[in-house]
Amino acid sequence: GAGVSQSPRYKVAKRGQDVALRCDPISGHVSLFWYQQALGQGPEFLTYFQNEAQLDKSGLPSDRFFAERPEGSVSTLKIQRTQQEDSAVYLCASSWNRGRTDTQYFGPGTRLTVL
Amino acid sequence: KQEVTQIPAALSVPEGENLVLNCSFTDSAIYNLQWFRQDPGKGLTSLLLIQSSQREQTSGRLNASLDKSSGRSTLYIAASQPGDSATYLCAFNAGNMLTFGGGTRLMVKP
Repeated sequence: GAGVSQSPRYKVAKRGQDVALRCDPISGHVSLFWYQQALGQGPEFLTYFQNEAQLDKSGLPSDRFFAERPEGSVSTLKIQRTQQEDSAVYLCASSWNRGRTDTQYFGPGTRLTVL
Repeated sequence: KQEVTQIPAALSVPEGENLVLNCSFTDSAIYNLQWFRQDPGKGLTSLLLIQSSQREQTSGRLNASLDKSSGRSTLYIAASQPGDSATYLCAFNAGNMLTFGGGTRLMVKP
């Protein structure tokens, strides 16, 4: 079946612009995660949803970052007033149930470049 | 806070060699660990997942082990091939999120 998909794959934004990144998880997966990966580093956790509920947003770096999953499937990560330090690859992952014991399946990522 | 370290950061080997990638962590209270492969410009592909109650998992030429008492995991790749060239990441699940190491960049030369 289809894997996790993300769009756009690449996004270039001018400093100060707002951006929205989309994630389509594997159909039926309850848990959805967002991670940020800076160049040459491992991914870092941003936020976690179980169905439509955002249960953990401890990794969001500032209040400019906002994520939602209103119907428990597709999720959007929004970054307001982008800064150069926001440049990174944003990865989305989903898993079958509560995420603690299941494999997380990752999408291809969205590479954000802020000029 | 869980910290994950991967050694070496980069590795270059000739084709056919057996190799070991190392991963160490600071908190033994984990649910599981996963080893991932990441190709340049691509997402992460899950290779192996070891639950905290398990000691190892095998898939083809790959074998991953987990020793919670020493805070270590290893990924063993047998008979390496040029197609194995990629970045390998280990990640620990101690809650709802994965905590990743910095990765080992592997180059297998023909």
